[in-house]
Amino acid sequence: EVQLVQSGAEVKKPGESLKISCKGSGYSFTSYWIGWVRQMPGKGLEWMGIIYPGDSDTRYSPSFQGQVTISADKSISTAYLQWSSLKASDTAMYYCARGVYSSSSEGLRYWGQGTLVTVSS
Amino acid sequence: SYELTQPPSVSVSPGQTARITCSGDALPKQYAYWYQQKPGQAPVLVIYKDSERPSGIPERFSGSSSGTTVTLTISGVQAEDEADYYCQSADSSGTVVFGGGTKLTVL
Repeated sequence: EVQLVQSGAEVKKPGESLKISCKGSGYSFTSYWIGWVRQMPGKGLEWMGIIYPGDSDTRYSPSFQGQVTISADKSISTAYLQWSSLKASDTAMYYCARGVYSSSSEGLRYWGQGTLVTVSS
Repeated sequence: SYELTQPPSVSVSPGQTARITCSGDALPKQYAYWYQQKPGQAPVLVIYKDSERPSGIPERFSGSSSGTTVTLTISGVQAEDEADYYCQSADSSGTVVFGGGTKLTVL
């Protein structure tokens, strides 16, 4: 069974750094793209970027380029999303999800449960 | 920046057919994907590559494409289909975007 398990909810202050994780299991972690999606409170889905753990090829949405860093550690089948300096506007639910098939960097078939990040002073 | 346009809301009675559209200039050359999201839950992929249905998705969900518009059709709508639906695709440079979402209400 394919599973993506994300790290737990976080409460941080503006200016702090954060790294959240997404651990994949039940499939070949290095053979499928993993994407990250933001959903701000009461709003729609936003594509942040995607990584291919096999070779760490990473593609960012222009809206998020330079704002976050996506990485992966294939030795532990885990992808990461990190911020160096959080802002209140980063408050959102963040989802990781796996590509539909091994060459797909667009459609996302299996989703994590989401990580709620709250940034407040 | 590239945009995919969806109607904010669609309403339909149980047993009727719901059609949710998504428009974008690059859709003739890029695949579309559709997601269902219920309150408090992660999205679920219901259609990929315009019209393919993942395993486990009911047959009443189908997708089609015509020019710059793709359509998600739900035949014989059930109360459990009430949710937000998002289309997703890419522009000509491969930048991926989601549509703004459509709230499907089952009357």
